[in-house]
Amino acid sequence: KQEVTQIPAALSVPEGENLVLNCSFTDSAIYNLQWFRQDPGKGLTSLLLIQSSQREQTSGRLNASLDKSSGRSTLYIAASQPGDSATYLCARYNQGGKLIFGQGTELSVKP
Amino acid sequence: DAGVTQSPTHLIKTRGQQVTLRCSPKSGHDTVSWYQQALGQGPQFIFQYYEEEERQRGNFPDRFSGHQFPNYSSELNVNALLLGDSALYLCASGGRLTNEKLFFGSGTQLSVL
Repeated sequence: KQEVTQIPAALSVPEGENLVLNCSFTDSAIYNLQWFRQDPGKGLTSLLLIQSSQREQTSGRLNASLDKSSGRSTLYIAASQPGDSATYLCARYNQGGKLIFGQGTELSVKP
Repeated sequence: DAGVTQSPTHLIKTRGQQVTLRCSPKSGHDTVSWYQQALGQGPQFIFQYYEEEERQRGNFPDRFSGHQFPNYSSELNVNALLLGDSALYLCASGGRLTNEKLFFGSGTQLSVL
């Protein structure tokens, strides 16, 4: 069974802290992996896409890594801000382009 | 350049009714996928359309059906609504290559009473 697990389920940090969100998957035949942000009641905003041949992607204060051998991906957020408060979802692609999502990590950054 | 657009944004129905949700993909995209997201959960794949055909289907009953039009827009139909169908329904569009990045719409919030 293809599963994606995200730890922790919720995280609260003070503003300015660096933090790491974790994502693990059970199927070693990974294709691409994508991180999303979701604000309450809203759709998904794509943050970073890591191709299966890549090890990491960076955009501004965000860095995502992919380790296929251990079945893990991490999303690193530097110098967190209250505006970063949201739910972060990771999802892996299957061969047909279907996304399999984790349950998300709800992040709260306190001013 | 318009992104993925979904309509309506919110919908309230009663048990047993039927509902149709609509999605227009991002310009240049020809593949549309539908996802259901229950409160507090990650989205679950319903099905994917390409060239007006269903290309993949998730573990959803036949009450869930879809259609893709020649202009690549898509509809999701749900018959005989159940309380458990209450969720945020998300549409995603992408190119014909299955490893291309997907873009999501803002979703339709369906409440079944």
